[in-house]
Amino acid sequence: DADVTQTPRNRITKTGKRIMLECSQTKGHDRMYWYRQDPGLGLRLIYYSFDVKDINKGEISDGYSVSRQAQAKFSLSLESAIPNQTALYFCATSGASSGGLNTGELFFGEGSRLTVL
Amino acid sequence: ILNVEQSPQSLHVQEGDSTNFTCSFPSSNFYALHWYRWETAKSPEALFVMTLNGDEKKKGRISATLNTKEGYSYLYIKGSQPEDSATYLCALNTGGFKTIFGAGTRLFVKA
Repeated sequence: DADVTQTPRNRITKTGKRIMLECSQTKGHDRMYWYRQDPGLGLRLIYYSFDVKDINKGEISDGYSVSRQAQAKFSLSLESAIPNQTALYFCATSGASSGGLNTGELFFGEGSRLTVL
Repeated sequence: ILNVEQSPQSLHVQEGDSTNFTCSFPSSNFYALHWYRWETAKSPEALFVMTLNGDEKKKGRISATLNTKEGYSYLYIKGSQPEDSATYLCALNTGGFKTIFGAGTRLFVKA
Protein backbone atom coordinates (compact mmCIF):
# COMPACT_ATOMS: atom_id res chain seq x y z
CA ASP A 1 0.00 0.00 0.00
CA ALA A 2 1.13 3.55 -0.74
CA ASP A 3 2.49 5.59 2.15
CA VAL A 4 0.66 8.69 0.88
CA THR A 5 -2.80 8.06 -0.53
CA GLN A 6 -4.91 10.54 -2.43
CA THR A 7 -8.59 10.30 -3.31
CA PRO A 8 -10.09 10.66 -5.80
CA ARG A 9 -7.43 9.94 -8.43
CA ASN A 10 -9.52 11.51 -11.14
CA ARG A 11 -12.46 13.88 -10.98
CA ILE A 12 -14.44 15.80 -13.57
CA THR A 13 -16.70 18.51 -12.27
CA LYS A 14 -18.52 21.63 -13.38
CA THR A 15 -17.83 25.27 -12.72
CA GLY A 16 -19.19 26.39 -9.36
CA LYS A 17 -19.19 22.98 -7.71
CA ARG A 18 -17.49 22.31 -4.39
CA ILE A 19 -14.73 19.73 -4.57
CA MET A 20 -12.70 18.06 -1.85
CA LEU A 21 -9.47 16.17 -2.43
CA GLU A 22 -8.35 13.97 0.42
CA CYS A 23 -4.91 12.85 1.49
CA SER A 24 -3.86 10.37 4.14
CA GLN A 25 -0.40 9.16 5.10
CA THR A 26 1.13 6.33 7.06
CA LYS A 27 4.64 7.74 7.25
CA GLY A 28 4.10 9.37 10.63
CA HIS A 29 5.27 12.73 9.28
CA ASP A 30 4.10 15.96 10.86
CA ARG A 31 4.46 18.08 7.74
CA MET A 32 1.94 17.84 4.93
CA TYR A 33 1.60 19.83 1.72
CA TRP A 34 -0.67 20.36 -1.25
CA TYR A 35 0.93 21.17 -4.60
CA ARG A 36 -0.50 21.89 -8.00
CA GLN A 37 1.15 20.80 -11.24
CA ASP A 38 0.40 22.47 -14.59
CA PRO A 39 2.04 21.55 -17.90
CA GLY A 40 5.31 23.40 -18.45
CA LEU A 41 5.44 24.67 -14.88
CA GLY A 42 7.09 23.41 -11.73
CA LEU A 43 5.02 22.16 -8.83
CA ARG A 44 3.53 25.09 -6.95
CA LEU A 45 2.67 25.09 -3.27
CA ILE A 46 -0.96 25.73 -2.37
CA TYR A 47 -1.02 25.13 1.40
CA TYR A 48 1.15 23.45 4.00
CA SER A 49 0.72 22.28 7.56
CA PHE A 50 3.39 21.50 10.12
CA ASP A 51 1.01 19.92 12.61
CA VAL A 52 -2.70 19.59 13.30
CA LYS A 53 -3.04 23.14 14.63
CA ASP A 54 -0.83 24.76 12.02
CA ILE A 55 -2.08 25.78 8.56
CA ASN A 56 -0.18 28.08 6.22
CA LYS A 57 -0.80 29.53 2.80
CA GLY A 58 1.56 28.75 -0.01
CA GLU A 59 2.20 30.77 -3.13
CA ILE A 60 -1.15 30.07 -4.85
CA SER A 61 -3.75 29.65 -2.09
CA ASP A 62 -6.51 31.84 -3.56
CA GLY A 63 -9.61 29.79 -4.33
CA TYR A 64 -8.51 26.92 -2.09
CA SER A 65 -8.91 25.96 1.55
CA VAL A 66 -7.54 23.09 3.60
CA SER A 67 -8.32 21.10 6.72
CA ARG A 68 -5.89 19.08 8.82
CA GLN A 69 -8.25 16.64 10.48
CA ALA A 70 -5.54 14.57 12.12
CA GLN A 71 -1.79 14.13 11.88
CA ALA A 72 -2.34 11.67 9.07
CA LYS A 73 -5.03 13.51 7.11
CA PHE A 74 -4.93 16.71 5.11
CA SER A 75 -7.72 17.66 2.71
CA LEU A 76 -7.89 20.33 0.03
CA SER A 77 -11.16 22.03 -0.91
CA LEU A 78 -12.20 24.10 -3.85
CA GLU A 79 -15.27 25.97 -2.63
CA SER A 80 -16.44 26.97 -6.10
CA ALA A 81 -14.38 25.33 -8.80
CA ILE A 82 -13.41 27.26 -11.92
CA PRO A 83 -11.87 25.99 -15.17
CA ASN A 84 -8.39 27.40 -14.48
CA GLN A 85 -8.21 25.10 -11.45
CA THR A 86 -8.00 22.20 -13.86
CA ALA A 87 -4.68 20.61 -12.91
CA LEU A 88 -2.91 17.67 -11.31
CA TYR A 89 -2.84 18.01 -7.54
CA PHE A 90 -0.24 16.33 -5.34
CA CYS A 91 -0.25 15.78 -1.62
CA ALA A 92 3.16 15.36 -0.01
CA THR A 93 4.68 14.82 3.40
CA SER A 94 8.07 15.46 4.93
CA GLY A 95 9.78 14.77 8.20
CA ALA A 96 13.16 14.95 9.87
CA SER A 97 15.78 12.47 8.72
CA SER A 98 17.27 9.96 11.16
CA GLY A 99 20.19 12.31 11.66
CA GLY A 100 17.87 15.12 12.65
CA LEU A 101 18.67 17.20 9.57
CA ASN A 102 15.50 18.10 7.72
CA THR A 103 16.50 18.54 4.11
CA GLY A 104 12.87 18.87 3.10
CA GLU A 105 12.73 15.62 1.12
CA LEU A 106 9.13 15.18 0.04
CA PHE A 107 7.11 11.97 -0.19
CA PHE A 108 4.30 12.27 -2.70
CA GLY A 109 0.95 10.69 -3.35
CA GLU A 110 0.11 9.57 -6.86
CA GLY A 111 -1.80 12.73 -7.67
CA SER A 112 -5.42 13.70 -8.19
CA ARG A 113 -6.30 14.88 -11.67
CA LEU A 114 -9.10 17.44 -11.56
CA THR A 115 -10.93 18.74 -14.60
CA VAL A 116 -13.32 21.65 -14.21
CA LEU A 117 -15.66 22.14 -17.16
CA ILE B 1 11.27 35.64 -7.25
CA LEU B 2 13.38 32.51 -6.94
CA ASN B 3 13.51 30.38 -10.06
CA VAL B 4 14.79 26.88 -10.72
CA GLU B 5 15.54 26.24 -14.38
CA GLN B 6 15.86 22.82 -15.96
CA SER B 7 17.13 22.02 -19.41
CA PRO B 8 16.32 20.56 -21.76
CA GLN B 9 12.53 20.46 -21.41
CA SER B 10 12.44 17.10 -23.14
CA LEU B 11 14.88 14.64 -24.56
CA HIS B 12 14.53 11.68 -26.89
CA VAL B 13 17.36 9.14 -26.84
CA GLN B 14 17.99 5.61 -28.03
CA GLU B 15 18.44 2.71 -25.67
CA GLY B 16 22.08 2.55 -24.63
CA ASP B 17 22.73 6.28 -25.04
CA SER B 18 24.10 8.20 -22.10
CA THR B 19 22.48 11.50 -21.31
CA ASN B 20 22.56 14.38 -18.88
CA PHE B 21 20.29 17.18 -17.73
CA THR B 22 20.96 20.48 -16.05
CA CYS B 23 19.34 22.22 -13.10
CA SER B 24 20.21 25.87 -12.37
CA PHE B 25 19.27 27.67 -9.18
CA PRO B 26 20.11 30.86 -7.28
CA SER B 27 23.18 29.93 -5.26
CA SER B 28 22.48 32.47 -2.53
CA ASN B 29 19.35 30.62 -1.40
CA PHE B 30 20.74 27.12 -1.23
CA TYR B 31 19.95 24.71 1.61
CA ALA B 32 19.47 21.42 -0.20
CA LEU B 33 18.85 20.21 -3.73
CA HIS B 34 16.59 17.31 -4.60
CA TRP B 35 16.22 15.27 -7.74
CA TYR B 36 12.94 13.41 -8.16
CA ARG B 37 11.95 10.83 -10.74
CA TRP B 38 8.32 10.97 -11.82
CA GLU B 39 6.76 8.27 -13.96
CA THR B 40 3.38 9.03 -15.49
CA ALA B 41 0.47 8.11 -13.18
CA LYS B 42 2.84 7.43 -10.30
CA SER B 43 4.22 9.39 -7.36
CA PRO B 44 7.36 11.47 -7.84
CA GLU B 45 10.11 9.71 -5.89
CA ALA B 46 13.35 11.17 -4.57
CA LEU B 47 16.48 10.05 -6.39
CA PHE B 48 19.00 12.18 -4.59
CA VAL B 49 19.11 14.75 -1.80
CA MET B 50 22.28 16.82 -2.00
CA THR B 51 23.48 19.31 0.56
CA LEU B 52 27.21 19.90 0.12
CA ASN B 53 29.10 21.73 -2.60
CA GLY B 54 30.94 19.19 -4.69
CA ASP B 55 28.59 16.38 -3.70
CA GLU B 56 28.43 13.48 -6.12
CA LYS B 57 25.79 10.82 -5.62
CA LYS B 58 25.17 7.62 -7.53
CA LYS B 59 22.37 5.11 -7.73
CA GLY B 60 22.95 2.37 -10.26
CA ARG B 61 23.33 3.99 -13.67
CA ILE B 62 22.17 7.39 -12.46
CA SER B 63 24.44 9.93 -10.82
CA ALA B 64 24.28 13.59 -9.89
CA THR B 65 26.74 16.36 -9.11
CA LEU B 66 26.26 19.62 -7.27
CA ASN B 67 27.94 23.02 -7.48
CA THR B 68 26.41 25.35 -4.92
CA LYS B 69 28.82 28.22 -5.62
CA GLU B 70 27.75 28.59 -9.23
CA GLY B 71 24.24 27.29 -8.70
CA TYR B 72 23.89 24.17 -10.82
CA SER B 73 23.45 20.42 -10.62
CA TYR B 74 23.80 17.80 -13.33
CA LEU B 75 21.97 14.49 -13.52
CA TYR B 76 23.63 11.78 -15.62
CA ILE B 77 22.13 8.55 -16.89
CA LYS B 78 24.60 6.03 -18.29
CA GLY B 79 23.34 3.56 -20.89
CA SER B 80 19.69 4.70 -20.88
CA GLN B 81 17.04 2.01 -20.78
CA PRO B 82 13.34 2.28 -21.74
CA GLU B 83 12.45 2.03 -18.04
CA ASP B 84 14.36 5.27 -17.45
CA SER B 85 11.64 7.10 -19.39
CA ALA B 86 10.17 9.57 -16.92
CA THR B 87 10.15 13.22 -15.94
CA TYR B 88 13.11 14.24 -13.79
CA LEU B 89 12.35 17.06 -11.39
CA CYS B 90 14.90 19.27 -9.72
CA ALA B 91 13.87 21.07 -6.53
CA LEU B 92 15.68 23.65 -4.45
CA ASN B 93 15.03 23.66 -0.72
CA THR B 94 15.79 27.07 0.75
CA GLY B 95 15.34 25.93 4.35
CA GLY B 96 12.28 24.88 6.30
CA PHE B 97 9.16 24.35 4.26
CA LYS B 98 10.13 26.18 1.12
CA THR B 99 10.89 23.99 -1.88
CA ILE B 100 10.96 25.44 -5.38
CA PHE B 101 10.54 23.06 -8.28
CA GLY B 102 11.81 23.29 -11.80
CA ALA B 103 9.46 22.39 -14.64
CA GLY B 104 11.25 19.10 -15.19
CA THR B 105 13.04 17.32 -18.01
CA ARG B 106 10.97 14.70 -19.74
CA LEU B 107 13.09 11.78 -20.96
CA PHE B 108 11.93 9.35 -23.62
CA VAL B 109 14.13 6.29 -24.21
CA LYS B 110 13.38 4.35 -27.35
CA ALA B 111 14.16 0.63 -27.49
